[in-house]
Amino acid sequence: DTGVSQDPRHKITKRGQNVTFRCDPISEHNRLYWYRQTLGQGPEFLTYFQNEAQLEKSRLLSDRFSAERPKGSFSTLEIQRTEQGDSAMYLCASSFLGSTGELFFGEGSRLTVL
Amino acid sequence: QKEVEQNSGPLSVPEGAIASLNCTYSDRGSQSFFWYRQYSGKSPELIMFIYSNGDKEDGRFTAQLNKASQYVSLLIRDSQPSDSATYLCAVRYDYKLSFGAGTTVTVRA
Repeated sequence: DTGVSQDPRHKITKRGQNVTFRCDPISEHNRLYWYRQTLGQGPEFLTYFQNEAQLEKSRLLSDRFSAERPKGSFSTLEIQRTEQGDSAMYLCASSFLGSTGELFFGEGSRLTVL
Repeated sequence: QKEVEQNSGPLSVPEGAIASLNCTYSDRGSQSFFWYRQYSGKSPELIMFIYSNGDKEDGRFTAQLNKASQYVSLLIRDSQPSDSATYLCAVRYDYKLSFGAGTTVTVRA
């Protein structure tokens, strides 16, 4: 399968714990995005990378959130000291630099914070 | 804040009818426009995109763009039960997409 891959698909954690999500984009795509989606809302932009460089981070994003893409391939999104309000679907998407900008999403990682 | 607004649902249409979905956006500098379909519990799936004024057809789907009115629409012809989903409008600003909240469509047999 050559689509966007995310792991884990589901994560249940207790408030205050740290969690990390991984995303493997489509291999030839050099842009990688993280979005968050809660019930009844559209995806909300968190951050994006072009190759290994993190080019933008949402102002709404707490300092507890950090993302990396160390070698310009896979990416990780870490949430420290989770809160119940962090419960959401975390979506990773990728795109190709020369495209019209369409994003291709992975299946998402659903986080539940108890 | 880049705003993308979609007509509130849910939208219920009989099988075989046309479903019409609307979307407006706030930034005249927007470059391209996308429609995604999202089944319950699944991730968004790209249906089609449009970047020039006018209509673009792909099978049973037609996207319409009017940049002067800052308006995008999606028509689904001959609606099928498998079209029952939430449809997300997305607008490209710089290198990222901003999404509307979505319109849920139910096609009743």
